[in-house]
Amino acid sequence: NAGVTQTPKFRILKIGQSMTLQCTQDMNHNYMYWYRQDPGMGLKLIYYSVGAGITDKGEVPNGYNVSRSTTEDFPLRLELAAPSQTSVYFCASSYGLAANTDTQYFGPGTRLTVL
Amino acid sequence: AQTVTQSQPEMSVQEAETVTLSCTYDTSESDYYLFWYKQPPSRQMILVIRQEAYKQQNATENRFSVNFQKAAKSFSLKISDSQLGDAAMYFCAYKVIQGAQKLVFGQGTRLTINP
Repeated sequence: NAGVTQTPKFRILKIGQSMTLQCTQDMNHNYMYWYRQDPGMGLKLIYYSVGAGITDKGEVPNGYNVSRSTTEDFPLRLELAAPSQTSVYFCASSYGLAANTDTQYFGPGTRLTVL
Repeated sequence: AQTVTQSQPEMSVQEAETVTLSCTYDTSESDYYLFWYKQPPSRQMILVIRQEAYKQQNATENRFSVNFQKAAKSFSLKISDSQLGDAAMYFCAYKVIQGAQKLVFGQGTRLTINP
């Protein structure tokens, strides 16, 4: 049971390039999330998904896209990378809504730099 | 909109002593959850403790306990018998019970443990 895995761990992009951050969980969780953490700040929600085929915007969705074709995978797509997207990106998942199932488990993060 | 504020960017404590980290939040909801997450240098987000707003009793997890003051919208974390491994960024987070299950994070407090 690997939990939540993210690839890559580090990436440097040039302005205008595109890339996909991968996130996979093996806990059969229904809910998945993408957060970004800017230097010295807390995490902010980019997108989330309540199940396969269902996604919705969080606080800071501009410049990103997501898809959820399977329960396990929740990739985050950056189109036309900008320096403002330099951040650490965390994927998280949780099983359900009840108090004993809603704990979010986080992946190790991807550090992205856009130059 | 819900907001979470951590007014202490940095705190330090002597090993084996007790330290309290502050957190306040703003919400119009009556039912919600509150969390403290720990982020060590590895960047992994680790759940430390959670509190359901409908519970009057303060949550405890071994050396970690909270002081939850619902009327004051205050949620502080007390770490007793501080250990070197407690050194990390600590984030306070809020989540409504209904809806998307998204977490709203504070800015974080960097805790240093002095040997």
